[in-house]
Amino acid sequence: DTGVSQNPRHKITKRGQNVTFRCDPISEHNRLYWYRQTLGQGPEFLTYFQNEAQLEKSRLLSDRFSAERPKGSFSTLEIQRTEQGDSAMYLCASRRQRNTEAFFGQGTRLTVV
Amino acid sequence: GNSVTQMEGPVTLSEEAFLTINCTYTATGYPSLFWYVQYPGEGLQLLLKATKADDKGSNKGFEATYRKETTSFHLEKGSVQVSDSAVYFCALSEDGGTSYGKLTFGQGTILTVHP
Repeated sequence: DTGVSQNPRHKITKRGQNVTFRCDPISEHNRLYWYRQTLGQGPEFLTYFQNEAQLEKSRLLSDRFSAERPKGSFSTLEIQRTEQGDSAMYLCASRRQRNTEAFFGQGTRLTVV
Repeated sequence: GNSVTQMEGPVTLSEEAFLTINCTYTATGYPSLFWYVQYPGEGLQLLLKATKADDKGSNKGFEATYRKETTSFHLEKGSVQVSDSAVYFCALSEDGGTSYGKLTFGQGTILTVHP
């Protein structure tokens, strides 16, 4: 059990550029979540995958955001045409099944300049 | 919708002092309740949880009791240490229907413990 891995840990990008983050969940965890955390706030839910199916998306996830989980393994979160308001920590979490603990990665800190 | 409210922070204590961090929640069903901790430079870690009313979660000297009548899940520790300095998040999740177990977090409470 190597834990949830997120890459990159930090990303600085210019406004208008596209960025992509990767999350590798704990193997055999079929549930995967993305959250966004801004300074001084708790994480906010963005989207949820059960295996390869994206089953829920928050209203926070605008059309510029897209997430995938091909083959139900790793997941990617892409932000197109980044804006300064997208600057935040993006967290990934995975869990095995219902009513089990969710494990979090260390996050990707995005700074849009 | 669901929501979690934590006491305003930050909280600054001396070593061996008693800690309480208040947490109240609003939920449509019967959620599970959690406390997560985030140490400097690290990811979120589950500290303790309770899955039904009157359950008490405990870990590392921390305790919290699921109080359905007051919709609360206050975190307590009898004697804090410098190593407890971190950000603490109260959270809830519901695993029924279409809720899929996503977590709803409070805004976090920064705890600083001085020697």
